[in-house]
Amino acid sequence: EAGVTQFPSHSVIEKGQTVTLRCDPISGHDNLYWYRRVMGKEIKFLLHFVKESKQDESGMPNNRFLAERTGGTYSTLKVQPAELEDSGVYFCASSQRGRWGTMNTEAFFGQGTRLTVV
Amino acid sequence: DAKTTQPTSMDCAEGRAANLPCNHSTISGNEYVYWYRQIHSQGPQYIIHGLKNNETNEMASLIITEDRKSSTLILPHATLRDTAVYYCIVRHILLNYGGSQGNLIFGKGTKLSVKP
Repeated sequence: EAGVTQFPSHSVIEKGQTVTLRCDPISGHDNLYWYRRVMGKEIKFLLHFVKESKQDESGMPNNRFLAERTGGTYSTLKVQPAELEDSGVYFCASSQRGRWGTMNTEAFFGQGTRLTVV
Repeated sequence: DAKTTQPTSMDCAEGRAANLPCNHSTISGNEYVYWYRQIHSQGPQYIIHGLKNNETNEMASLIITEDRKSSTLILPHATLRDTAVYYCIVRHILLNYGGSQGNLIFGKGTKLSVKP
């Protein structure tokens, strides 16, 4: 079974440009999360989709970031326009939908996209 | 902010048990203790989780104190490939129709170095 895959693995762009990151979750996983780690800092939550709906986007830093998950399958995270402080590693994770009566499922992470804004 | 406290770093000899402590004194009744690790340049990897009972799987054991204010992750026979940053995370599980799940709040973790 394929794990969570992210594209591209690396991206180098100039300040002011646009970049779109893609995440393909594990098939059948309704929950999809985006996280990021900027240089020297901790991994931070960005947002959470349940199928195509945004369940929690409290971690999105500003309106230059737009996440979509049309059709409830893969997700994209667009940064427009990119700034220097957006450099870091962006992780995507997915998990199964918890059923009533079961308490949890674990989240599986992709390998991340390393974004460098110059 | 992370609700857990972990030592910054630890060393362990290859083949010995690695015991990683975690304090979570403000944990609430509907929060689980999760452990993830991140091996250099890879995505975080799930290890184990528990509520109040001790848990064991093929990777590790999790010992949670009776008052749930602290826990210990045990890697029974550490190998060089276990060198990583280990994160102890208190995770709120939201139960509603269909089961929505809380996000993970990562702290600084413990950098475990397994030495030959």
